[in-house]
Order: sequence, then C-alpha cells, then structure tokens
Amino acid sequence: GEDVEQSLFLSVREGDSSVINCTYTDSSSTYLYWYKQEPGAGLQLLTYIFSNMDMKQDQRLTVLLNKKDKHLSLRIADTQTGDSAIYFCAESSAVKFYFGSGTKLNVKP
Amino acid sequence: DGGITQSPKYLFRKEGQNVTLSCEQNLNHDAMYWYRQDPGQGLRLIYYSQIVNDFQKGDIAEGYSVSREKKESFPLTVTSAQKNPTAFYLCASSRTGGTSGRPSTDTQYFGPGTRLTVL
Repeated sequence: GEDVEQSLFLSVREGDSSVINCTYTDSSSTYLYWYKQEPGAGLQLLTYIFSNMDMKQDQRLTVLLNKKDKHLSLRIADTQTGDSAIYFCAESSAVKFYFGSGTKLNVKP
Repeated sequence: DGGITQSPKYLFRKEGQNVTLSCEQNLNHDAMYWYRQDPGQGLRLIYYSQIVNDFQKGDIAEGYSVSREKKESFPLTVTSAQKNPTAFYLCASSRTGGTSGRPSTDTQYFGPGTRLTVL
C-alpha cells in the first residue's frame, strides 16, 4: 500500500528555521499537503502543492517537492513558539488520501 | 461562519454501549470523511461518503457504522463490536466526492475532533 513517512520529532530554537521532511511512495500523487494540528484540536490546512510544481512559498512557509525522490519538505522561517504543533504530510492520488504519522515540532524560547 | 463542527468535544462511554458522534458542515461539500487518530500515529480512514445516501468503508470500518441522510450531516456510530474504541475522532469534508467508488482527491477540511474514552 501507499506509505507516507515522517520523522516523529523536531526541536528548534525560537527564531531559527524549521525543516520538516516527508517521503511518500505513490508516484501518481496529484496533490501533497501540509496540515498543522495543535493539542486537542482538528487539523488545519497550512498549504499544498500540485505535483507538477517543485516549490511553493506562502509567507513564512516554503514547500519543496522533489518528485524524482518522492520527497516533500516544509520550511518554516523565523519559527515562533506558536508554531509548536504536530505537522502532518498528506498525499492524494487517484485512489486515496494518505497521511503521515506526524512530526511533533517543539519550539524552545 | 462556514465550517465543520463536531460534537461533543469529549465523550465517555461504558464498555458495551453504542455511541454516536456528530459531524455537521455548512460548506456545501459533497464528500465527508471519518478518521481515527491514535497517539503517535497518523490518521486512519474509517468511512467516507461521496454523496448523500451513499457511503463506503475505509481502512478500519469494523465496529463502526455511518449514515448520510443529509448533505450537511455524517454521524458516526461506534458500536460495542469495536474492540478498542478509545481514540480521537476527526471528521472532514471536501468539495467534491471523487469518481465512482474512489474517494475524492480534493483538499479536505477538518472539524475540531471528538475525544472518545471508553471506561
């Protein structure tokens, strides 16, 4: 089946950049997404990228897609304590919507 | 305000009882979904509905049931047959319902979740 993998934890200092990585296996993916989940809450769509793009920037967020390596990353510039959350990578293809297990970002003051 | 609401936020159930979780959306979305989230794990799809009066099993449908009598509502019943029901349940919706027999690939928007605890 299709897999979406992420590392479980990332810790950064406030003001630094954070880079959260994700790998996926389904080469027919059409869209790739990043969602943010704060404690006890639902998922908030942060950004998404179409599979024929290799980069998308939205304010402090930069998404990079390497389709050849099936690697997706989310860079958060000037990370703030309010960015502390779990970040989920997800892919959609002709078949289904798949989520990674989430990366818990801890931002230290 | 447009959005997806889930109620209640916290739910406690005695073992052996059925319980129904509510999900409502006023986004005029065709498709709705139920996911289960366990600690340290990603989301797993329970059921999805591409259109009113139709729904399909997801990856972990056993012990759950759903109905889709209205476009805006997609309640999930956790039955006593579900062996390990304690989890965080998330409802989502997307604009379109996808092609026949397959979930939509449209962006999914999520509700705030319901935390179910079985005592």
